[in-house]
Amino acid sequence: DTGVSQNPRHKITKRGQNVTFRCDPISEHNRLYWYRQTLGQGPEFLTYFQNEAQLEKSRLLSDRFSAERPKGSFSTLEIQRTEQGDSAMYLCASRAPGSTGELFFGEGSRLTVL
Amino acid sequence: GEDVEQSLFLSVREGDSSVINCTYTDSSSTYLYWYKQEPGAGLQLLTYIFSNMDMKQDQRLTVLLNKKDKHLSLRIADTQTGDSAIYFCASQGKLIFGQGTTLQVKP
Repeated sequence: DTGVSQNPRHKITKRGQNVTFRCDPISEHNRLYWYRQTLGQGPEFLTYFQNEAQLEKSRLLSDRFSAERPKGSFSTLEIQRTEQGDSAMYLCASRAPGSTGELFFGEGSRLTVL
Repeated sequence: GEDVEQSLFLSVREGDSSVINCTYTDSSSTYLYWYKQEPGAGLQLLTYIFSNMDMKQDQRLTVLLNKKDKHLSLRIADTQTGDSAIYFCASQGKLIFGQGTTLQVKP
C-alpha cells in the first residue's frame, strides 16, 4: 500500500501526558500537512512542510505542539502536557510537487485525553 | 481571514439528485475542491475545478462555480446509498475546509 500512513490510529492518554503521532506520506510527495478535526467540524489546518522545512504554522498550534520532518520523509506531531481540549482526530496529508493541489489524506490518529 | 461555509445537512431519496452548496472568501484560489469523508475514514478528493471554469462534469458529478458570488456547488446525479457521507469543499493554498455537509440517502 503506497497511501499515507498514520500511527497510532487511536491514542488514549491522561491529561498532562505527552503524545506523539507519526505520519508516513506517499514517497514522492514533497509537501506534508497536519490538520485537526473535531466532531462535526471540517479539518483545521495546523502546519505544513515542504521537504524538511516547516513553512507555515497556524495560530491554533500552541507552544505545546511541535511538528518535525527531519529528513523530508516521515513527520511527527508531538503534543506536550495534553489537555482535554486536545481530544480530536489528527489528520496528515501529502501532496505531490507541481500537482493541482490535491491532498492525499491518511486515516487519522484519534486522540482521547481523559 | 479566509473562510468556507456550507449547509450542514442534506437528505435525499435514492435516485434523486443532490446539490451541496458552498461559499468561500478566498478569491485568489486557483483551484477549488470537493472532498468526501466516509465514517471512520480520511478525506478523499472527489473532484476539483479550475478557477477560470464555470462548470466541470465528471460522470455523476457536476461542479458549478460562480466566481463573482464566490459560490461553489456539487451536484450528484442519481444519488445512491453509497454516496452517504460528509462532503467538504475547500479552497486552495493550505486548504481551508468548510464544516462539511452530511448527505443522507434514503432507500
